[in-house]
Amino acid sequence: DAMVIQNPRYQVTQFGKPVTLSCSQTLNHNVMYWYQQKSSQAPKLLFHYYDKDFNNEADTPDNFQSRRPNTSFCFLDIRSPGLGDAAMYLCATSNTGNEQFFGPGTRLTVL
Amino acid sequence: GENVEQHPSTLSVQEGDSAVIKCTYSDSASNYFPWYKQELGKRPQLIIDIRSNVGEKKDQRIAVTLNKTAKHFSLHITETQPEDSAVYFCAASLGGYQKVTFGTGTKLQVIP
Repeated sequence: DAMVIQNPRYQVTQFGKPVTLSCSQTLNHNVMYWYQQKSSQAPKLLFHYYDKDFNNEADTPDNFQSRRPNTSFCFLDIRSPGLGDAAMYLCATSNTGNEQFFGPGTRLTVL
Repeated sequence: GENVEQHPSTLSVQEGDSAVIKCTYSDSASNYFPWYKQELGKRPQLIIDIRSNVGEKKDQRIAVTLNKTAKHFSLHITETQPEDSAVYFCAASLGGYQKVTFGTGTKLQVIP
């Protein structure tokens, strides 16, 4: 089945230790998004790619970086995680102008 | 940028009653309005969407209405069931590859 896959589903890291979250898709969608969602809040867009064009949200901390080496894969790098970065990280994809398909998310815990 | 406000933040209804969630948006150029349902611990899933060239759309027990002049849109769920209990997010987008801006969410509880 075509889908959006995120790995790992649960990630525990130590304060300040870099971590990478991954997202892959079999939908061949041209747009990929990374969201941060904290408890009882709406998903907050961090950045998105239209093909290889990178779009960073103005309030996304520099601590967050992203890579999209090809259509299928996208990575979220958190260079120095702080306690405030503990959250659910959601990847989503869409074709231009259409529905966003979300992955199951990666729950990040920072110790 | 776009700003989406959503009300109420929580809503409790008796099973079988209707539920209405309202949203307003700020950018008159927005033309795509999806609604997502998110169950506890799960991903958001699209339940219905509407584009600006349509005033109303219905899918079984779910309907969405859009008033472009007033810049507001609403989700209507009829004959609610316990499995409708979840957090619902409205959103607005300029379409194309533009980002989707989410509302703050409504926690719906359907009481059996």
